[in-house]
Amino acid sequence: QVQLQQWGAGLLKPSENLSLNCTLSSGSLSGFFWTWIRQPPGKGLEWIGEINHRGTTNYNPSLKSRLTMSLDPSKNQFSLRLSSVTAADTAMYYCARTTSGTTGTTNYWGQGTLVTISS
Amino acid sequence: SSELTQDPAVSVALGQTVRITCQGDSLRSYYASWYQQKPGRAPVLVVYGKNNRPSGIPDRFSVSDSGDTSSLTIAGAQAEDEADYYCYSRDRSGSLAVFGGGTKLTIL
Repeated sequence: QVQLQQWGAGLLKPSENLSLNCTLSSGSLSGFFWTWIRQPPGKGLEWIGEINHRGTTNYNPSLKSRLTMSLDPSKNQFSLRLSSVTAADTAMYYCARTTSGTTGTTNYWGQGTLVTISS
Repeated sequence: SSELTQDPAVSVALGQTVRITCQGDSLRSYYASWYQQKPGRAPVLVVYGKNNRPSGIPDRFSVSDSGDTSSLTIAGAQAEDEADYYCYSRDRSGSLAVFGGGTKLTIL
């Protein structure tokens, strides 16, 4: 059973850096893209980006300049860093696993971390 | 702006069949996934690929595809199906992923 456990700071001040981590409980990071998704309060889902086991990344163009994703295969862990946050980055953040190809899907999600940006 | 377009809201009478659509050029090349999200909960994958359902999803949920449109059908909608539904797929380049804006389904 694939389980993703995520953690990170839930309250940040404007201009600080957001950092979230996600650990895969069993299995390997190989063969999948590891994805971050967010949802501002009362709004829709937004794809943030993804990273595969080779370190290949794809980022949402609207966030790309502030975004860094990384992974540590030895810990079965992948991470998100979003720099210089503003109130607009307040959202529930999810880590997830994505399969590739034309029938690919994001089928396993973490429990979510609510990140609030407030002075 | 989203490259996948959904109607903001749809309603259906209890027990009737409802179709929720998602339109985008990339759907000519990539299948959509559909998620159900209830208030305060994480999204749940209900259908993906060529009409695949994860374990535990009732068979009243199905998907059909035609050209640039993916349609999620709920046959015999139940009260517990009231939720927001999101489509999700790759963009036209295939390098990025994108969600539709979501459809709020109301069961009357």
